[in-house]
Amino acid sequence: DGGITQSPKYLFRKEGQNVTLSCEQNLNHDAMYWYRQDPGQGLRLIYYSQIVNDFQKGDIAEGYSVSREKKESFPLTVTSAQKNPTAFYLCASRTLGAAEQYFGPGTRLTVT
Amino acid sequence: QQQVKQSPQSLIVQKGGISIINCAYENTAFDYFPWYQQFPGKGPALLIAIRPDVSEKKEGRFTISFNKSAKQFSLHIMDSQPGDSATYFCAATHFGNEKLTFGTGTRLTIIP
Repeated sequence: DGGITQSPKYLFRKEGQNVTLSCEQNLNHDAMYWYRQDPGQGLRLIYYSQIVNDFQKGDIAEGYSVSREKKESFPLTVTSAQKNPTAFYLCASRTLGAAEQYFGPGTRLTVT
Repeated sequence: QQQVKQSPQSLIVQKGGISIINCAYENTAFDYFPWYQQFPGKGPALLIAIRPDVSEKKEGRFTISFNKSAKQFSLHIMDSQPGDSATYFCAATHFGNEKLTFGTGTRLTIIP
């Protein structure tokens, strides 16, 4: 069963704590992306990675960090420096040479 | 120059009617225009996409119309059904660019 998995589906954290969101894909895609979605604001790019051990900041990278140690995995850490972390987080992937991005089911993070 | 402007923000259509969502872009280098469909609590799913070498692309009840000179593209949903009720996002990118630029989304509601 090929696809993108994100876990957990819901995540609750206290303010001041770092939290890591998981994204795994078995589509053999080269590029992976993290987006943040807030009501009425569409999708905003946080980080993306084209190859293992390399990644670039997107439009709203402040307060987030990523790693890409394996092709299949692209975890996102929401740090305590992120001022408004409560949001719906989406992971996507793409094969190089193709334009289509495919999305995972998302993780809803709530920080109180 | 990277913006994609989407309208309307929300749309209510009667069952059996035609739903029309519009997007406008500024960057003339854009050459790939996908539409995504997102149900509440789920990740966006690629619905249909077009490249600027054609003015229209149809897949079932979904049609993209593309006007290169006006830098506009639109999604038409024919014979709209309650199951089409979702949020729709347009996006754009150009070959060699790793990033998609998304519109802000349209919440479509199909009423009986």
